[in-house]
Amino acid sequence: QSVLTQPPSVSGAPGQRVTISCTGGWSSLGAGFDVHWYQQLPGAAPKLLIYDNDNRPSGVPDRFSGSKSGTSASLAITGLQAEDEADYYCQSLDRSLGAYVFGSGTTVTVL
Amino acid sequence: EVQLVESGGGLVQPGGSLRLSCTVSGFTFSSHWMRWVRQAPGKGPEWVANIKEDGTDSYYLGAVRGRFTISRDNAKNSLYLHMNNLRAEDTAVYYCARGRGHAMDLWGQGTMVTVSS
Repeated sequence: QSVLTQPPSVSGAPGQRVTISCTGGWSSLGAGFDVHWYQQLPGAAPKLLIYDNDNRPSGVPDRFSGSKSGTSASLAITGLQAEDEADYYCQSLDRSLGAYVFGSGTTVTVL
Repeated sequence: EVQLVESGGGLVQPGGSLRLSCTVSGFTFSSHWMRWVRQAPGKGPEWVANIKEDGTDSYYLGAVRGRFTISRDNAKNSLYLHMNNLRAEDTAVYYCARGRGHAMDLWGQGTMVTVSS
């Protein structure tokens, strides 16, 4: 059971906007720790997509955006493309566990 | 080109030991915290261990503390994970990753560790 909860799957048609939620508790997101997002294509290593809640590393398209409020965070993908089909994970720090924690993961399907 | 290349994975019996290596290139290794992250088949990633830039401080996931040791050799641009008393639940792909604040901004391709008799 993950400390950070995500929906198992989301889907959308090409060009649509989808959002993925990440819900934590008072010892992780609620304690003020930042959230980071990763994209994992089939058979590949995770890739950093968003860091420190809403920052994109160089090379990540601006179709990807992140936000955080209280004990929740969201990743939005606008202008959905076939190449966005992947698993997405949120990640933060949990003070009680003294550990970095990942979300349960969300599979994005492009219809 | 920035690269992180893991090696050392394989099949090991329960109770056995293994040493993973990660060789990096394309950035100043000694300026970054480094991490090991694992991913069991069909599961999400799980952080395993961190080590400070100069190797003087490290942190571990509770489930591996006392069995795993993270270390680094900055002269060789290399990161290591020494794993002892391996259990079936340690079976996973092990990735090395570069720290960026509390995020992980660069990942290797991973090395598979299978613990089975």
